[in-house]
Amino acid sequence: EPEVTQTPSHQVTQMGQEVILRCVPISNHLYFYWYRQILGQKVEFLVSFYNNEISEKSEIFDDQFSVERPDGSNFTLKIRSTKLEDSAMYFCASSEFYGGANYGYTFGSGTRLTVV
Amino acid sequence: RKEVEQDPGPFNVPEGATVAFNCTYSNSASQSFFWYRQDCRKEPKLLMSVYSSGNEDGRFTAQLNRASQYISLLIRDSKLSDSATYLCVVKYAGGTSYGKLTFGQGTILTVHP
Repeated sequence: EPEVTQTPSHQVTQMGQEVILRCVPISNHLYFYWYRQILGQKVEFLVSFYNNEISEKSEIFDDQFSVERPDGSNFTLKIRSTKLEDSAMYFCASSEFYGGANYGYTFGSGTRLTVV
Repeated sequence: RKEVEQDPGPFNVPEGATVAFNCTYSNSASQSFFWYRQDCRKEPKLLMSVYSSGNEDGRFTAQLNRASQYISLLIRDSKLSDSATYLCVVKYAGGTSYGKLTFGQGTILTVHP
């Protein structure tokens, strides 16, 4: 079964440092997403990406965050200057179909980001 | 009102029991509905989509009531392996939205021998 691959699985960084979380979506998928889950809380939407641009972003996704698809396979989330409250599990997801279709998304196994 | 609200649980049931989870959503324009399953510190995995006519997948039955903005999941003959957090998920696509998923906080199910 096709998978969404995320690296690293765990990243520890110092407050104020930049981090890049990497994702390889399923190859024929066109829509890409980042979600996050703070420990003990619900999964929250960050950003969606289609046709090489952001199509929607949440209030969480402020100027400290950016996304990029630098080549045909990778999809990255960058946090420019990490804060303690950025500590969370970050999930990448991808979808073959436009949002109106009644299909769920495939999630990667996540990157646990710990900011110290 | 929360966008997606679920029974807080936790539910502790014996093997073989039938258990039901409920969920309500606030955006009446929501278009697609799902139940996801999440094991501890793992990614959400799609359990099943939920259709207006109701649908079944083995021991799992999902129901949707659009008028009441209510979704349910019924698990029959619970197995130990059903122990997980069950996430009610709603998708809205329209206007500038490209179908982001909105998650409930999840209901923890523990099935014991």
